[in-house]
Amino acid sequence: EPEVTQTPSHQVTQMGQEVILRCVPISNHLYFYWYRQILGQKVEFLVSFYNNEISEKSEIFDDQFSVERPDGSNFTLKIRSTKLEDSAMYFCASSLLLTDTQYFGPGTRLTVL
Amino acid sequence: QKEVEQNSGPLSVPEGAIASLNCTYSDRGSQSFFWYRQYSGKSPELIMSIYSNGDKEDGRFTAQLNKASQYVSLLIRDSQPSDSATYLCAVRSGTYKYIFGTGTRLKVLA
Repeated sequence: EPEVTQTPSHQVTQMGQEVILRCVPISNHLYFYWYRQILGQKVEFLVSFYNNEISEKSEIFDDQFSVERPDGSNFTLKIRSTKLEDSAMYFCASSLLLTDTQYFGPGTRLTVL
Repeated sequence: QKEVEQNSGPLSVPEGAIASLNCTYSDRGSQSFFWYRQYSGKSPELIMSIYSNGDKEDGRFTAQLNKASQYVSLLIRDSQPSDSATYLCAVRSGTYKYIFGTGTRLKVLA
């Protein structure tokens, strides 16, 4: 069964450093998403991406964040200058159609020291 | 601020019983509703989606939607210890944005 994959599974970085989190969505899916979940808190929407551009973003997704689909398979989230409060689990998700089920990847745990 | 509200629990039920999980949402224009299950340290896994008022059944799971009351529920029949997890209600709000509730932790006691 096709699945969303994410790398790395765990990323440790120093405050102020740039990180890139990588996702490979399900191959025929058209809509891509990033979410984060701070430990013990709810899953929070960050951004949705369709047709090579951001469709919607939350207030969390400020100028420090960017997303890219550099080729036909990868979908990346970049955090330019990490803060302690960026420590969280980051989930990528994809769906075939807008109204379809979103399938989540296993997540990348980001730890900012 | 558009919100999805859930009781955080824990909701404890004996094995074999029916577990009832509830969710309310604030955006009256929402059209798509989802229940996800999340085990500790894992990603959300879809259980059910529902788009129309009424009930939708899938195996031991039944989702219920009442748009007038802005209320979604999930019933789990014949609860098993393996059903112990956090259940997340999610609502598509606007075109592309999905809002999750904080989740209800379910404990099924053997």
